[in-house]
Amino acid sequence: DVVMTQSPLSLPVTLGQPASISCRSSQSLVYSDGNAYLSWFHQRPGQSPRRLIYKASNRDSGVPDRFSGSGSGTDFTLKISRVEAEDVGVYYCMQGTYWPPVTFGQGTRLEIK
Amino acid sequence: QVQLQESGPGLVKPSETLSLTCTVSGGSISSSYYYSSWIRQPPGKGLEWIGHMSYNERPYYNSSLASRVTISVDTSKNQFSLKLASVTAADTAVYFCAGGSSSSKIDFWGQGTLVTVSS
Repeated sequence: DVVMTQSPLSLPVTLGQPASISCRSSQSLVYSDGNAYLSWFHQRPGQSPRRLIYKASNRDSGVPDRFSGSGSGTDFTLKISRVEAEDVGVYYCMQGTYWPPVTFGQGTRLEIK
Repeated sequence: QVQLQESGPGLVKPSETLSLTCTVSGGSISSSYYYSSWIRQPPGKGLEWIGHMSYNERPYYNSSLASRVTISVDTSKNQFSLKLASVTAADTAVYFCAGGSSSSKIDFWGQGTLVTVSS
């Protein structure tokens, strides 16, 4: 199975400041069609995860443009340009290139300083 | 907009079978999306994929759970279900159903339901 490793696991951020989360996979996530099936999810306390980014860099409908995804191969990044209070929670990366199974990163907990 | 809702007992005794249903609304389970998945999250921990199926493919299961898991789809009721046999306390978790396209696999989630395994 593909192992997904996120860093950092805890991310204290001041409101209005940028934030960045790294996700590395144990093998390249580029599929034969040229796409990397890497998604980012945000889970607020007590809620189900919501997808923010799919295919590494495509923002879902309704997701604020302060969120962006980048990367290819084995290294991926989720960036928040200016953190807002509603961004607290846990962020997960997930690979869907080599499935089954889909595999998730351990999660990164973002909190406001 | 397709929505998913899990239902089932919140308390299951050890050694018994956990049974959950996911009801799809706002669209058809056989045409609105491709994969129906189950994912769980033990309290305070991360996400674990349990398995998935499509209405026209066989189910696939996490190898660590495969001997105990059954996922099935009932297109007439627009539902899919999860059965997990011989549960222990380690199976206590919030169980989510999820749907996704053939490319991105998991696009949207149900709200989740907590299942506690205890006598």
